[in-house]
Amino acid sequence: GAGVSQSPSNKVTEKGKDVELRCDPISGHTALYWYRQSLGQGLEFLIYFQGNSAPDKSGLPSDRFSAERTGGSVSTLTIQRTQQEDSAVYLCASSSGPVNSPLHFGNGTRLTVT
Amino acid sequence: GESVGLHLPTLSVQEGDNSIINCAYSNSASDYFIWYKQESGKGPQFIIDIRSNMDKRQGQRVTVLLNKTVKHLSLQIAATQPGDSAVYFCAENMGSGNTGKLIFGQGTTLQVKP
Repeated sequence: GAGVSQSPSNKVTEKGKDVELRCDPISGHTALYWYRQSLGQGLEFLIYFQGNSAPDKSGLPSDRFSAERTGGSVSTLTIQRTQQEDSAVYLCASSSGPVNSPLHFGNGTRLTVT
Repeated sequence: GESVGLHLPTLSVQEGDNSIINCAYSNSASDYFIWYKQESGKGPQFIIDIRSNMDKRQGQRVTVLLNKTVKHLSLQIAATQPGDSAVYFCAENMGSGNTGKLIFGQGTTLQVKP
């Protein structure tokens, strides 16, 4: 079946602009995660959604970052007033549940802030 | 603070040889560990995972070993092939039982020489 789909694959934006990144998880997966990967680095946890529960936002680096998940499926990560240090690859992942299930990642959105 | 790291940033092996990629972790409370493979321009791909109540798990051509005494994790790849060339990340959970909220290491680049 289809994997995790993210769009756009690449996004270039000017400093100070807002951006929205989209994630379509694997159908039926109840858990959805956002991670950030800076150049040549490992992945950094940002936020986690599980079903209808309140999201775990403990990894968001600032209040300029927010995310929502509508209808328990598609998720949008929004970065307001982008800064150059926000440049990174933003990866979405989903799993069939928060325990006993490995994450399956999309190919990410490469964000460049100029 | 918590950290997950690999001992070598780059590992070069001959095609057909076995590869061993090592990882050290520092969180004694972590109860889930996982290995991912990442090719250029793609998201991380799940390889194999292991829980803290096990010390070895085998997959197809891959074996993960967990030594909780010294907080060490390794990935063994048998009969390494050119298609195995990629960056390999180990990750641990944060001891909550959640298999998606992970701390990643910095990655080891595996280069397979034909």
